[in-house]
Amino acid sequence: AQKITQTQPGMFVQEKEAVTLDCTYDTSDPSYGLFWYKQPSSGEMIFLIYQGSYDQQNATEGRYSLNFQKARKSANLVISASQLGDSAMYFCAMREGSNFNKFYFGSGTKLNVKP
Amino acid sequence: NAGVTQTPKFQVLKTGQSMTLQCAQDMNHNSMYWYRQDPGMGLRLIYYSASEGTTDKGEVPNGYNVSRLNKREFSLRLESAAPSQTSVYFCAAGRLGTGELFFGEGSRLTVL
Repeated sequence: AQKITQTQPGMFVQEKEAVTLDCTYDTSDPSYGLFWYKQPSSGEMIFLIYQGSYDQQNATEGRYSLNFQKARKSANLVISASQLGDSAMYFCAMREGSNFNKFYFGSGTKLNVKP
Repeated sequence: NAGVTQTPKFQVLKTGQSMTLQCAQDMNHNSMYWYRQDPGMGLRLIYYSASEGTTDKGEVPNGYNVSRLNKREFSLRLESAAPSQTSVYFCAAGRLGTGELFFGEGSRLTVL
């Protein structure tokens, strides 16, 4: 079974609008971490936001927030007030337990922000 | 503060040639990783090093070797390059605790 599923290969959003990128995960380990990364066309991987499985509140970092729904095993990324510079690939990832090699990435969502 | 630095950024090899990708981090993190990224396949773990002096195989280790030279440096070696190893390679350092990975800029390798 896929550990991380991103069902939206591509999305469009109008500049200044909010957008939600979907991510579901699969684990039976009670301790895990969820991450979002941005990969612009230049290719680097940029860490955006982290949510721990025991965190009570949804993580926020500036315009990024993580909508963490534990029972549904979903960790959607919400970008508020989209900017043209937000156009990029976005990867959801999960670290399972404290295992160094159990860090799984989804296949990514390509976000295009329209002016 | 450079974070994670990889060299070279681009390399073209002929089948059978060898090369080493270098990675260094100044973030003082214990764990380091090598991933490859292929179109439509996301990132796949090649090798990782939980701490200085240890290395372990990831999901796709065949055809690669690694060396954790010290806490800062983690190199990836292709002994006999094959066209299937054409990919973008990322080195990463992992933060203790939360575990997020910090990536280098990537190395684009083409094997002809």
